[in-house]
Amino acid sequence: DGGITQSPKYLFRKEGQNVTLSCEQNLNHDAMYWYRQDPGQGLRLIYYSQIVNDFQKGDIAEGYSVSREKKESFPLTVTSAQKNPTAFYLCASSPISGASYEQYFGPGTRLTVT
Amino acid sequence: AQSVTQLGSHVSVSEGALVLLRCNYSSSVPPYLFWYVQYPNQGLQLLLKYTTGATLVKGINGFEAEFKKSETSFHLTKPSAHMSDAAEYFCAVIPYNQGGKLIFGQGTELSVKP
Repeated sequence: DGGITQSPKYLFRKEGQNVTLSCEQNLNHDAMYWYRQDPGQGLRLIYYSQIVNDFQKGDIAEGYSVSREKKESFPLTVTSAQKNPTAFYLCASSPISGASYEQYFGPGTRLTVT
Repeated sequence: AQSVTQLGSHVSVSEGALVLLRCNYSSSVPPYLFWYVQYPNQGLQLLLKYTTGATLVKGINGFEAEFKKSETSFHLTKPSAHMSDAAEYFCAVIPYNQGGKLIFGQGTELSVKP
């Protein structure tokens, strides 16, 4: 089955620790995205990548880092510099050609930092 | 900058009643338009999309939406609500010629009363 996997589903960390969230897709999509979701605030774009070895900051990139070494993988690191990291994180992918740029979403990772 | 407004953060309907979730966007050039649904602690699932062509778009689970350029709206409707429709709904746009980056509304939580 084609799709996007995110692991783990739930993640707990102590304050001051970096943590990496995994995102893998087998849809052969060129573009991948990371969003943060907080209650009542919708989805906010953290980083996105349209090609391997290249990525751009979204609206709330501070305190986060990403890499895109392979087309199918786009891990997100939440660093200790992120002031309020507890949130639900969603990864998505999409084609960048064609008519719709429709984004497909993974199941999400809920990160709790105490 | 492009923005998306969803009127009403919470909407409650009775089972069997009409569902109407409102979405307006700010753009002089029609963007690509999407409605996504999110069930608790899950990722987003595409309900329907408008890119070009027919302005009345049918989606999954009996939902449809109509693109009205003159009103810059893309409201989501379903003739008869079912208990399983209770979820959060997001309207999103991709501005014309800015391929890929989705801009989300704040979301509307739909409750369905028996």
